[in-house]
Amino acid sequence: ETGVTQTPRHLVMGMTNKKSLKCEQHLGHNAMYWYKQSAKKPLELMFVYNFKEQTENNSVPSRFSPECPNSSHLFLHLHTLQPEDSALYLCASSPLSELYGYTFGSGTRLTVV
Amino acid sequence: AQTVTQSQPEMSVQEAETVTLSCTYDTSESDYYLFWYKQPPSRQMILVIRQEAYKQQNATENRFSVNFQKAAKSFSLKISDSQLGDAAMYFCAYRSADSNYQLIWGAGTKLIIKP
Repeated sequence: ETGVTQTPRHLVMGMTNKKSLKCEQHLGHNAMYWYKQSAKKPLELMFVYNFKEQTENNSVPSRFSPECPNSSHLFLHLHTLQPEDSALYLCASSPLSELYGYTFGSGTRLTVV
Repeated sequence: AQTVTQSQPEMSVQEAETVTLSCTYDTSESDYYLFWYKQPPSRQMILVIRQEAYKQQNATENRFSVNFQKAAKSFSLKISDSQLGDAAMYFCAYRSADSNYQLIWGAGTKLIIKP
């Protein structure tokens, strides 16, 4: 049990499909994050939610739409993706203190065909 | 803007030996936090060790220790008595001490353990 659970673990979708990634944490953390991890590139921060409010959107295309209904759940809605969006999508959460890093989920391996 | 650089895309070490992974960073801040994360094939990022910039003493967690050189902006990770389970990608990360929660990440170093 990692503390942060992501589903599904793998996802294959066509460019016209609509799907959603789910992230759940019950650690009492206040901030949640979506990251994109592509081969041989640093982790790319996509979205940050702090107390359910979106505080960061790093110029992510509108085909990615986040949703944070409460401080324990985070979704990433996907539609009309491109093949270059294929990557590992990681969810993480953190408490308020800067001393602590993040707790990560195991990610969703997304393949867009 | 802060940046984190890991200059070694890949490192290999014989089992039971010691290896050091390099990380340098650039910042104008004086107060911040540094982290090393491990990502094994299971994909989950696991926090290995963290260092507060205001502490001169290097952090240590069992076989993992850091060499924190604040003036040189260097934060290397030393793994002693390497084990097969240490094989993974290792990422260095920086976190500002202000209200921004974001981590700035290096590109990672792949560590191979030779049996």
